Amino acid sequence: DAKTTQPPSMDCAEGRAANLPCNHSTISGNEYVYWYRQIHSQGPQYIIHGLKNNETNEMASLIITEDRKSSTLILPHATLRDTAVYYCIVRVVDSSYKLIFGSGTRLLVRP
Amino acid sequence: GAVVSQHPSWVICKSGTSVKIECRSLDFQATTMFWYRQFPKQSLMLMATSNEGSKATYEQGVEKDKFLINHASLTLSTLTVTSAHPEDSSFYICSASPGHENTEAFFGQGTRLTVV
Repeated sequence: DAKTTQPPSMDCAEGRAANLPCNHSTISGNEYVYWYRQIHSQGPQYIIHGLKNNETNEMASLIITEDRKSSTLILPHATLRDTAVYYCIVRVVDSSYKLIFGSGTRLLVRP
Repeated sequence: GAVVSQHPSWVICKSGTSVKIECRSLDFQATTMFWYRQFPKQSLMLMATSNEGSKATYEQGVEKDKFLINHASLTLSTLTVTSAHPEDSSFYICSASPGHENTEAFFGQGTRLTVV
């Protein structure tokens, strides 16, 4: 399973962009990068995923480097409700498609 | 988005008893469901993959006789913690997936189990 590396914690000011990096240097060509977040005592919430192209949805943007060895999740205008643990996951491509969580990045959005 | 519902949200049980947790996909059929456990200040740890109509696949170190998983239909998987002990107290989370690498997995709200 491809491993991901994320900084343990980050902070940003409310209203500013939050850029969360993730390294996945052992990713295989057919493995997708998924981002989830978990607010305290809740189940993880899906944010976005991608294979090699940059992706954007109503929550965030995902920038994947050309060699696919790293990616960045961008929350364009962070709010206090975005304070959470953010997980970058490389999804296993076998019959299960299971998600293996790493330690994630604890993002604190400051007022 | 799709909804996965877990029940109960929290449960307190006595040592030695068994507890069943249900995970339902409300608006899609899930051929595969996953069960995770999370201790305070730690990440989610995958316990097992639940496959509809067949035996669950357990991750290394997870006791299959203690954590019984049944996936009897395409919308329901259950996790039974048998002979619970205080060290089994944890946050248990399920997720469901239509079974495609390009489709997100959806998570339940979690069940907090406290064994006294």
